[in-house]
Parts: sequence; structure tokens; C-alpha cells
Amino acid sequence: QLHLHESGPGLVKPSETLSLTCTVSGASISTSSFYWGWVRQAPGKGLEWIGNVYHTGSTYYSPSLKSRVTISVDTSKNQFSLKVNSVTAADTATYYCARDTSAPKRGFDFWGQGTLVTVSA
Amino acid sequence: NSMLTQPHSVSESPGKRITISCTRTSGNIANNYVQWYQQRPGSSPSIVIYENNQRPSGVSDRFSGSIDRSSNSASLTISGLRPEDEADYYCQSYDASNHRVFGGGTKVTVL
Repeated sequence: QLHLHESGPGLVKPSETLSLTCTVSGASISTSSFYWGWVRQAPGKGLEWIGNVYHTGSTYYSPSLKSRVTISVDTSKNQFSLKVNSVTAADTATYYCARDTSAPKRGFDFWGQGTLVTVSA
Repeated sequence: NSMLTQPHSVSESPGKRITISCTRTSGNIANNYVQWYQQRPGSSPSIVIYENNQRPSGVSDRFSGSIDRSSNSASLTISGLRPEDEADYYCQSYDASNHRVFGGGTKVTVL
């Protein structure tokens, strides 16, 4: 069974960089037809797609976050990572990693448990 | 604002049927598949419908999905409503640049 697990600091200071890693177990991150994505949810709010990465390193980013976000993949560790620069309180959210079936486009079929990141001094 | 518009909330009694709409405000609903996710309080989202109307293995057949080209919308129908169906539901699709887009979410309350 596929399992995804987010890890990283739960507290980040304003203007600094948020960094999270998603560790995938139960399947290879290099499997074709799957992207690996990040979705966040501010407290009491809806889901917001951040971006996706393919095992080749190809990425898609949300236009609203593209200038501050980098998603990368490490196939040797079966992990992918998220960095968000210049964070503010508006970046406080639960961050989820998920598998995104891309061919055909079937959405996010496996999700991590999520990790809460708070931006505060 | 999302290009996928959902009602803020829907309430109904146990055993009844509800339908949640997801209206696409930009582009053609039929050009990209629509998915639906259920998110119970304190839990991660889980997919209940993919490719407009397909149910993943393990999802109850009380859940069904459809699209309506005339209204440019997708719908999630839950029949035989149960207390455990109380959750937030999100539709998701793709824009013209293949970016993933979520609707704003609908809170379902079982009275």
C-alpha cells in the first residue's frame, strides 16, 4: 500500500524559507504516469494546489505561488520536497503531499496525513 | 477566486439524497475530468469520484458523479445520506494550462 509522509519544521519565521519533504513508501516515485504534488489548507479554509513534480524533475506550479515556490525530487531517496520563500502569516497552513495521476488525469489518489506549518516570529 | 464554484453548505436528513454542484466559470467543463474529494474533520482529503463519474475501489456506490454540459457544471450526488457522510467536499479539475484547480468546498451537514 502506498504511503506518503510529510516532514519538516512546524514553525517558520516571517521572511524565511519553508522547507518540507515528502517520503514515499510502498511504490517507486519513478513510476510513470504519476506526478507528486503539494496541496495546502489554511486554517478553516479550502484546499489550494501548490504544484507538482515528475520523477524527471519536470514541474508545474500554481500561478499565484510560482514566484516563491520550488518543488524538487530525489529519486534515490524516494522523496520530493517543497520550498516556499519569503513566507508570511498567509502561508500558515496544513501542507499535504499527494500522488497525482497524470495519464489519464485522475486527480490525487493518495495523500499524506498533512503537517501544520505556522509562520510566526 | 477559483474557476470552480461550489455552494458553501448543504444540509439534509439521514436517508435522503443530496447533490453538490461545481460550476466551471471559465472554460468548458467537458474538456477536463472532474474529481471529488471528501474531507472529514481532522483528516486528509480522500478521493471519492475520479474522471467525472468513476468510483475508486472501496468507495460506496451511494456516491455518484456527473457533468452537465448545458450548465457547465459537475455534480456529486450522495444517496441514502448517513451521519458519517458529514464532511467537506471539494471538486477539482484542470485549467487550460494543466494547472490543478480546486473548488472552494461544500460543507455537508447531516441533520
